[in-house]
Amino acid sequence: AQSVAQPEDQVNVAEGNPLTVKCTYSVSGNPYLFWYVQYPNRGLQFLLKYITGDNLVKGSYGFEAEFNKSQTSFHLKKPSALVSDSALYFCAVIEGTYKYIFGTGTRLKVLA
Amino acid sequence: GAGVSQTPSNKVTEKGKYVELRCDPISGHTALYWYRQSLGQGPEFLIYFQGTGAADDSGLPNDRFFAVRPEGSVSTLKIQRTERGDSAVYLCASSSGTETQYFGPGTRLLVL
Repeated sequence: AQSVAQPEDQVNVAEGNPLTVKCTYSVSGNPYLFWYVQYPNRGLQFLLKYITGDNLVKGSYGFEAEFNKSQTSFHLKKPSALVSDSALYFCAVIEGTYKYIFGTGTRLKVLA
Repeated sequence: GAGVSQTPSNKVTEKGKYVELRCDPISGHTALYWYRQSLGQGPEFLIYFQGTGAADDSGLPNDRFFAVRPEGSVSTLKIQRTERGDSAVYLCASSSGTETQYFGPGTRLLVL
């Protein structure tokens, strides 16, 4: 079965500093990987995905993620964090062709 | 260009009651999904519709849960004889056949 792990429940970073939110995966075959962000009382918003191709994927709001096959990781990054980036972030992998398997989420807190 | 909408946004009910949760997908999206997100967890897959038919209902926890999509657009998730353990946020998502799913804001269900 496919799975993803988000080892950090919370990440704190100062505004303007680079941020990283970690995700590792366990899949059979080639992984389809996603990052979503969830703001309070709002649904999940799509940030980016890796299907194939370039290992560095660029997404919405200045976020990017690096697919690393040897380390089975797909960490989310942003060069300069904003206070407005504070939210709950979910990594997900597709099982089969449509079923998302989500991690437990990482709460990002950007401090002014 | 409206996104996925869900009603109601909040639902409080008593143990043993019947509830219906509605999802309006993005116009033209043929695929529709329901997920359940318990407190502190990532969303978990419940059911997938392709058109009017449930292509995969393997995530429904038991036979108290049922979902329909009679005209291939709006979907209703129905829960009979609600239990306190059913309390969660119920998320709906839709897609146009690509890997990316677009989520609604969710319905927060509280069973007293």
